[in-house]
Amino acid sequence: EAGVVQSPRYKIIEKKQPVAFWCNPISGHNTLYWYLQNLGQGPELLIRYENEEAVDDSQLPKDRFSAERLKGVDSTLKIQPAELGDSAVYLCASSLVAGGRQFFGPGTRLTVL
Amino acid sequence: KQEVTQIPAALSVPEGENLVLNCSFTDSAIYNLQWFRQDPGKGLTSLLLIQSSQREQTSGRLNASLDKSSGRSTLYIAASQPGDSATYLCAVSTGANNLFFGTGTRLTVIP
Repeated sequence: EAGVVQSPRYKIIEKKQPVAFWCNPISGHNTLYWYLQNLGQGPELLIRYENEEAVDDSQLPKDRFSAERLKGVDSTLKIQPAELGDSAVYLCASSLVAGGRQFFGPGTRLTVL
Repeated sequence: KQEVTQIPAALSVPEGENLVLNCSFTDSAIYNLQWFRQDPGKGLTSLLLIQSSQREQTSGRLNASLDKSSGRSTLYIAASQPGDSATYLCAVSTGANNLFFGTGTRLTVIP
């Protein structure tokens, strides 16, 4: 069974440019999460989806970040415009049910110059 | 807000040693606790999940314990191997199903 797929794996952009990350969760997993991981830190939740609905986006900086999960499967996280402080690893995870074990993708490492 | 602390931040042991990683959390009202492994440049792999009603979980050479009342968990690794070298992260889940992670313990097992 395929795990959580993320692309791209690496992205280098200049500040003020837009960037988008894509995530394909494990088939059948209704819950999808986006996390931000800074160097030497644990991941921090940005947004959680139950099917198509964003049920927790309290930590998402809505002035520049947006996310969508059309049809309750794939999800896209966008930053526009990117700032230097956005350099980090963006992780996507999914779980079969709320409260269940979360399975993580390999992440996208973003570098903003 | 739930805060999760892991000590030590880094640990080096010779191959074959048994070791214990520690995790503490501030709010005992948790739904479950998970231990993850993260290899450099890669995502997280879930190792063990302990429900709030459980005291411990075992998988192979790994044993995780949970003392909810004191806000502590330990991950015991028996007979460590070089392949165990990685960062180990502890995460607690609240009723809202959000995971709060510690900063991890970076383990190096020396052949």
